[in-house]
Amino acid sequence: QSALTQPASVSGSPGQSITISCTGTSSDVGSYNLVSWYQQHPGKAPKLMIYEVSKRPSGVSNRFSGSKSGNTASLTISGLQAEDEADYYCCSYAGSSTFGNVVFGGGTKLTVL
Amino acid sequence: EVQLVESGGGLVQPGGSLRLSCAASGFTFSSYAMSWVRQAPGKGLEWVSAISGSGGSTYYADSVKGRFTISRDNSKNTLYLQMNSLRAEDTAVYYCAKEGNVVVAATADYWGQGTLVTVSS
Repeated sequence: QSALTQPASVSGSPGQSITISCTGTSSDVGSYNLVSWYQQHPGKAPKLMIYEVSKRPSGVSNRFSGSKSGNTASLTISGLQAEDEADYYCCSYAGSSTFGNVVFGGGTKLTVL
Repeated sequence: EVQLVESGGGLVQPGGSLRLSCAASGFTFSSYAMSWVRQAPGKGLEWVSAISGSGGSTYYADSVKGRFTISRDNSKNTLYLQMNSLRAEDTAVYYCAKEGNVVVAATADYWGQGTLVTVSS
């Protein structure tokens, strides 16, 4: 059981938009604007896509955007492309929670149809 | 160019010990917190431990507290993870990650390629 809850899978067709949710609690997502999102292709290391809820690192496409409302954060990918097919993980700072100071979601597998 | 290179993984018996290292280059090592994140085969990411830039503050997941020790040598630009009393459930690829700040803030902007730790008799 992960500290943050994500859907196991989402799918979309090329050019469409999809949103992945990440639900935490008032002790993690709801308390800190320190939510990040990572993309991981099979056999590769994770890559930072969004940090501090909605900021994009240099080099990350502006098709990726992040937001937060209450205890739920979201990652939206617009204009889906084949190379976006990957696993996506949300992450939040959690202070001194039961799970630890940093918590991850269980991951969401994105399939581009 | 930021580079993080992990080493020290391998096969170890239950109850055994292992020390992982992560050699960093391409940035001012002491100015950034560092983390270890693991991924069991076919599973998701799990945060393991983190350390502030100075090394003065350390943090652990409950699953490894009391068994793992994170440390850093800023003169050698190297991060360590001493793992004792290893269990089968510690089997995973262990990633070293650089934080985006001197303090831990769940923002791992660079990752190593990972090193596999297998705990089995």
